[in-house]
Order: sequence, then structure tokens, then C-alpha cells
Amino acid sequence: DAKTTQPPSMDCAEGRAANLPCNHSTISGNEYVYWYRQIHSQGPQYIIHGLKNNETNEMASLIITEDRKSSTLILPHATLRDTAVYYCIAVNAGNMLTFGGGTRLMVKP
Amino acid sequence: DGGITQSPKYLFRKEGQNVTLSCEQNLNHDAMYWYRQDPGQGLRLIYYSQIVNDFQKGDIAEGYSVSREKKESFPLTVTSAQKNPTAFYLCASALAGVYQETQYFGPGTRLLVL
Repeated sequence: DAKTTQPPSMDCAEGRAANLPCNHSTISGNEYVYWYRQIHSQGPQYIIHGLKNNETNEMASLIITEDRKSSTLILPHATLRDTAVYYCIAVNAGNMLTFGGGTRLMVKP
Repeated sequence: DGGITQSPKYLFRKEGQNVTLSCEQNLNHDAMYWYRQDPGQGLRLIYYSQIVNDFQKGDIAEGYSVSREKKESFPLTVTSAQKNPTAFYLCASALAGVYQETQYFGPGTRLLVL
């Protein structure tokens, strides 16, 4: 699996958009970009995934650059309950998840 | 409710004892996974199973064992050979073990060695 790089921590004001970046410069053509988040002492929660095109669901939007070397997860209106560690993972056809350190997002009132 | 259940939420073990963590899913998923998480770290894969009666070692299988006798169940045994078993254990399942099928996680079991 391609290695991903994320900033260790970010802050966001409540009600504002949270933009979480992820670099995956060695991603191969058949690897999807997945995002999960983990609230303290809970199991990771699936957020969204994509291959080439931008994706949106009820939780977030995923913007993938045209060269697929980086992506951004957007939480459009962050709330205090969005405070969590966010993991960006490149997943190949074997469906193995390799978790890095993630980004600790702190949403502040 | 459909989902993945893990029990118990907290588990205490004396040194030298084996202990079994439960993972059950009613999502009709073929693939199941066990991960370990240490404080401040990401998850690491212990074992996975893509079909019943078959399983494979992950990155840190030493000191652990699993079985997959039923599609909905994938118990993990932490043996006395695991030198540092205190951790947060997470179970996940996916529709299939090949291709990019989303993995869904249970709530986790926190194991403490006394």
C-alpha cells in the first residue's frame, strides 16, 4: 500500500469548514483513498472513499488532485463532535488497511 | 440492529493466562479482521479471514490465534506468548476480502494485564 502523510494536528473553529490534507505521492493506479475517523476510545468510523473523482456524502467531501498525489477531506460545517483523529489510507485490491498516525482535529467553540 | 459487536468492553487478564476476545457481525460479510492499537498509535493488523475456515497472519500475529468456524464470528485468543498484550483491540468486517470493500469496525475491547 502507498504510504500516506498527514499533519499530526489541526484546529478548526466550530461552524467553519475543516480541510484535512493528505499526501500519497506513491499511490498506484488501482489504490483507493479512504478516510476514517476515530473518536477517543471508539472504533474507527468510515467517512468516505474515492479513486479519481471528487466524492461527497452526508458526512464530508473528498477532493483528489488530478495527479492523485494528494487529497483533502472537507467537513463543511465542523461541530464539537467532529473532534477526532482522522486517518487517510491508500487501499489496494487486497483490501488491507495500513494506518499511519493520522491528524488529530480539534474543533474549538 | 445490524453491525459488529465486540465483548467485553474491558477485559482483565493475569500474566500467563490466555484470554479470548469475541467479535460477531450480522452484516453477512465474508471478510473479518483483527487490529491492535497502542496509545497514540494507529491500528496494526493481527489476523484476517476472507472466508470461513480460512485465515491469514497480519503484521503482528505472534502471540495470537484465531478461528473462523462460522461466517459471523471471528474470535481472537491472546496467548501467554504475547509479551505485551495490554492494548485496545478492534475487530472489523467487509463484504469481501478482495478489492476495495469498505471495512466497518466494532467498538473495541480494551485488554489490561494485571
